[in-house]
Amino acid sequence: GQQLNQSPQSMFIQEGEDVSMNCTSSSIFNTWLWYKQDPGEGPVLLIALYKAGELTSNGRLTAQFGITRKDSFLNISASIPSDVGIYFCAGQLGSGAGSYQLTFGKGTKLSVIP
Amino acid sequence: GAVVSQHPSWVICKSGTSVKIECRSLDFQATTMFWYRQFPKQSLMLMATSNEGSKATYEQGVEKDKFLINHASLTLSTLTVTSAHPEDSSFYICSARTEFGYTFGSGTRLTVV
Repeated sequence: GQQLNQSPQSMFIQEGEDVSMNCTSSSIFNTWLWYKQDPGEGPVLLIALYKAGELTSNGRLTAQFGITRKDSFLNISASIPSDVGIYFCAGQLGSGAGSYQLTFGKGTKLSVIP
Repeated sequence: GAVVSQHPSWVICKSGTSVKIECRSLDFQATTMFWYRQFPKQSLMLMATSNEGSKATYEQGVEKDKFLINHASLTLSTLTVTSAHPEDSSFYICSARTEFGYTFGSGTRLTVV
């Protein structure tokens, strides 16, 4: 099945710094999604990407859908303490059997030092 | 819009008993819902895809007789963990596909003692 490699696994940054994380896949996805999960909560959608090459922003967050459709990155600018959490990428095939299922990366745990 | 309500938020049960987790779509109809399990410090693993009015599709390695899924209406899907054992302790999360993408419930922390 599809696998997503997400990196880094964890990162510690100073408040105000920019953050970058990425996901790569051995398979092509038609949709890339980025979620944030706080402890004891379900994931919350941050950004959805639907076209190869697409660059989308949501406030201080920017994500891009790689041209090859096998990768995506998420950037957070000027980090603040509430950015702390686990960030997951997820890919969706979008066609064929099981196409609506999401495959998740293993997550990036972000810690922000005030 | 597109809110998925999941409850209970947490439950503690005795080994051998059954536990039901509900997932409701509050302001939309969910033809398909997904059930995930997440162990500590790990990613979400898809357990099954729940389709309204038909049998759920289970992922490889997930026991369908142990994890009973019912999706009897367009706004409600339930997951019942039957004869729960300590190894079933985990965080269970449901999700529904919406026009905005995939919306997740807030999760249920199951602890089997």
